[in-house]
Amino acid sequence: NAGVTQTPKFQVLKTGQSMTLQCAQDMNHEYMSWYRQDPGMGLRLIHYSVGAGITDQGEVPNGYNVSRSTTEDFPLRLLSAAPSQTSVYFCASRSGDARQYFGPGTRLTVL
Amino acid sequence: AQSVAQPEDQVNVAEGNPLTVKCTYSVSGNPYLFWYVQYPNRGLQFLLKYITGDNLVKGSYGFEAEFNKSQTSFHLKKPSALVSDSALYFCAVTSFNKFYFGSGTKLNVKP
Repeated sequence: NAGVTQTPKFQVLKTGQSMTLQCAQDMNHEYMSWYRQDPGMGLRLIHYSVGAGITDQGEVPNGYNVSRSTTEDFPLRLLSAAPSQTSVYFCASRSGDARQYFGPGTRLTVL
Repeated sequence: AQSVAQPEDQVNVAEGNPLTVKCTYSVSGNPYLFWYVQYPNRGLQFLLKYITGDNLVKGSYGFEAEFNKSQTSFHLKKPSALVSDSALYFCAVTSFNKFYFGSGTKLNVKP
């Protein structure tokens, strides 16, 4: 049982490049979410999904896209990276008792 | 607007002494409240939650938290701190499928 997995662990991009952060869970959780963690600001919700085919915006959705074609996968896309998107990104899934399980994170630097 | 406040960036305590990490919240409706812990370069781990019932909630590693509706607080406590408790602690609330995290409190437990 792997839980929540994220790839890559580290990524460096140039301004304007695009990329996809991958997230997968093997716990059959309907709810999945993406956060960014910045110093002194805690975690902020980017996008979330309550099930396959359903996504919605969180606190800081601008510059990010998501889709949910399967229960297991919830990728996060940066269409045109900006230095302000330098952050640590966490994916999470939520069990029926509202407890969230977090992945190990992706450290992204945009130059 | 929904929000979570952790008024202390850092809490220092000697090993064996009791510890308290403070959290207050502002959210509409009846919130679900959580505490998570983060060790360096790791994802967040669930400690405990309050949904309803007894105001004193017990969680992992000997931690507990007290829900106070009138003061809209959910302080994390432990009767006797360990050096291994040193980490970053986050309070969180969920409302209408969105999670809101505090900015985090760094707990330093000194031998």
